[in-house]
Amino acid sequence: QKEVEQNSGPLSVPEGAIASLNCTYSDRGSQSFFWYRQYSGKSPELIMFIYSNGDKEDGRFTAQLNKASQYVSLLIRDSQPSDSATYLCAVNEPLRRGKLIFGQGTELSVKP
Amino acid sequence: GAGVSQTPSNKVTEKGKYVELRCDPISGHTALYWYRQSLGQGPEFLIYFQGTGAADDSGLPNDRFFAVRPEGSVSTLKIQRTERGDSAVYLCASSFSGSPTGELFFGEGSRLTVL
Repeated sequence: QKEVEQNSGPLSVPEGAIASLNCTYSDRGSQSFFWYRQYSGKSPELIMFIYSNGDKEDGRFTAQLNKASQYVSLLIRDSQPSDSATYLCAVNEPLRRGKLIFGQGTELSVKP
Repeated sequence: GAGVSQTPSNKVTEKGKYVELRCDPISGHTALYWYRQSLGQGPEFLIYFQGTGAADDSGLPNDRFFAVRPEGSVSTLKIQRTERGDSAVYLCASSFSGSPTGELFFGEGSRLTVL
């Protein structure tokens, strides 16, 4: 059973702080890693993707990938109340083009 | 419209009934996906179309579930003899490419409640 694991939270951080969201995956063959944001009652939207070990930065967001440890993280700097949402980690399933495996999501709450 | 359109947005049905859920992808997107999301869980893959054909239907839970995309655009997910466990939000997504590296654009979902 291929799995993607996330802490369900809720993770609560004060406005302006760094929020750190973590994800582990079970299949060493996975090559593509995604972070989706989902506001309550809405559909997921892609905010970051990463394919190579190391860090990838986009504005206030940084994705980190460590394939040896099978670990992906998302850092949100200068957190804002509008960042309050559920963050879903998704990983491609090797040999099944088009299929993503999602974690259960981590609920983030940014307090003003 | 500019985004992925799903209808109905809400469907309440009785156990044993037949249900159809429709998805209209973003114009020009060749790849179309169906996922299912239960409360408190991440989306679960059901099926992926590249053009008119189902490239991967490994996520369909059983033979009560079937999906078509006859003209390579609109897709319909069909559920026969619905069960209470089928209650979930059914999400449709589309992308330019069938590659997992493509960005998935999700619709707002169809919430199915089986009584």
